[in-house]
Parts: sequence; C-alpha cells; structure tokens
Amino acid sequence: SQQGEEDPQALSIQEGENATMNCSYKTSINNLQWYRQNSGRGLVHLILIRSNEREKHSGRLRVTLDTSKKSSSLLITASRAADTASYFCATTSYTGGFKTIFGAGTRLFVKA
Amino acid sequence: EPEVTQTPSHQVTQMGQEVILRCVPISNHLYFYWYRQILGQKVEFLVSFYNNEISEKSEIFDDQFSVERPDGSNFTLKIRSTKLEDSAMYFCASSYGATSTDTQYFGPGTRLTVL
Repeated sequence: SQQGEEDPQALSIQEGENATMNCSYKTSINNLQWYRQNSGRGLVHLILIRSNEREKHSGRLRVTLDTSKKSSSLLITASRAADTASYFCATTSYTGGFKTIFGAGTRLFVKA
Repeated sequence: EPEVTQTPSHQVTQMGQEVILRCVPISNHLYFYWYRQILGQKVEFLVSFYNNEISEKSEIFDDQFSVERPDGSNFTLKIRSTKLEDSAMYFCASSYGATSTDTQYFGPGTRLTVL
C-alpha cells in the first residue's frame, strides 16, 4: 500500500494566489513533515506537525492534520515565483525503528 | 546554521563496481538515515541507524547495501556490485532524536550514475 500520497500531482497558479496541496496516508503516524525540493536539488524541511496537533503555521505556510481521515494539507498563501518547486509530505511511524515514507509529491508552478 | 553534508556530489561508476557514499550529519544528531530518489520518482526510505546499528530498513535495503559510522563524524552507505537501476540521487539525513517532534535534516544528495 502507498503511504503519503499527494494530490494534485501538479498545480499551476498565478503569483499572489494561494496553493493548496493534500496528502493522504494509511498507517498511524508519529508526525508528518512537508519538504520542498527544487529541481535536481536537495530536500528543504518546511514544517513538522505532530500526530496530536491539528494545525500549524510558519510564515506563509499553514499545515493541517486530520488523523481521523489520515490526511494533511499544506497551504501556501500569497505565492511567489520562487515557490515553484515540488512539495512532498513525509510520514514517520515507529515500527520497532523509525521509518519515514515520502509521497510522490506535488509539482507547483507559480507564474509571475 | 549546521547542515548535513554529502560527498561526492556526483559519482559515476561502472556496473558491478562498489561505491561508498559519504555523509557528515549534523554534529549533535544521534539518528542517521539514507534515502534514494530515482529520477522523476518519489524519495524512498532505505535505512535508519542509531547507536551504531540499523534500527529500521526497507525492503530495498538488501545485502547489496551496508551502512557504517566509521568514526565520530562520518556516516557511509556502501553499495556493492552496482546495477544500472541503482542510478539515483542518494540523500543522507540526520535528526537529534526520533520522537514526534524531531525533524530530519537532509543533505544535498549524491547523484549516482551507473554505466
């Protein structure tokens, strides 16, 4: 089964608009993290939300977590061209050791 | 700000050869991880490492792979007898702990090309 699946797979918006990306997962988790990856580059950590939290903010980012639906969303407000990147959710679970599973990602393109 | 570093940034090798990818985690971190990302695909967990032993590994991490912390600063991934399908970006990550509040910080990656 797939863990941490995002939708949409791709999103194209105008600068200044908000971008919302969703992530679903299947097993119980310790936390969920969102990362950004610019093409061919490393993963930049954006925000972590614990399994007992429902919402978290960081600058223009807002993350929600609904453990009953096993889903999360990442909202980027007032998007900028520099936000163009792929965004991944990653769930961490403890199964004797800690394992982090990434989703397939959402490719966001912000047009100037 | 401390960061995870990886060397080399790009490694080219012939099929069947062994490669060692190196990582220097953030200095006070205790948990270390390797991931890989085949071009255009998702990031895949390979292994987590704590207290000088593997704490979790995925089905990808078979006998072809091994990890080691040879000294107090380096964390290595060895891939034996490389195959074409091992071509990917390999990311190292580290975290201070492994609780629900611990963030994994990723290095810039090593691009492995197997010819």
